[in-house]
Amino acid sequence: DAKTTQPTSMDCAEGRAANLPCNHSTISGNEYVYWYRQIHSQGPQYIIHGLKNNETNEMASLIITEDRKSSTLILPHATLRDTAVYYCIVGGGATNKLIFGTGTLLAVQP
Amino acid sequence: DTGVSQNPRHKITKRGQNVTFRCDPISEHNRLYWYRQTLGQGPEFLTYFQNEAQLEKSRLLSDRFSAERPKGSFSTLEIQRTEQGDSAMYLCASKAGTSGPANTGELFFGEGSRLTVL
Repeated sequence: DAKTTQPTSMDCAEGRAANLPCNHSTISGNEYVYWYRQIHSQGPQYIIHGLKNNETNEMASLIITEDRKSSTLILPHATLRDTAVYYCIVGGGATNKLIFGTGTLLAVQP
Repeated sequence: DTGVSQNPRHKITKRGQNVTFRCDPISEHNRLYWYRQTLGQGPEFLTYFQNEAQLEKSRLLSDRFSAERPKGSFSTLEIQRTEQGDSAMYLCASKAGTSGPANTGELFFGEGSRLTVL
């Protein structure tokens, strides 16, 4: 499974968009990009995933570059409840075994 | 609640004792995964089942660890002769095993079982 690189931490003002970057330069053609988040003391929560095209759902948008070597998760209007560790994961495949890194701690400030 | 359920939520034990965690996945999810998470780290994959078959085990799963899913529904993770290094959160996740457009890639995680080995 390809490895991802994320900033250790980021701050965002409440009500503003949070843009979380992820580099995955070794991604292979059939690997998806997944984003999960983990609020303190809870299990990880699925946010969104994509292969090539940009994706949007009720939680977030996922922008994947044309060469698929990086992506950005966008939370359009961050709230205090979005404070969490956000994991960018590449892989899945037949087993859907997801290999987590250390993620980005997003702190939404009032 | 129809989510993934894990029990117990917290377990404190003395070194050398055996512990067992149980995971009840979402009904009809045929894939079940176990992860371990230590403080400040992301979850680490341990093993996964498709129905009752254990299809993959991580090198992290030493011979003191055993996982079962006897009827393809709930799963247990047993740790024998616990060590202080086993202290962690043990997370279970499940997923429907369909392929194609219905395969959203979404793993549903439980709240975890926190183990403290004294």
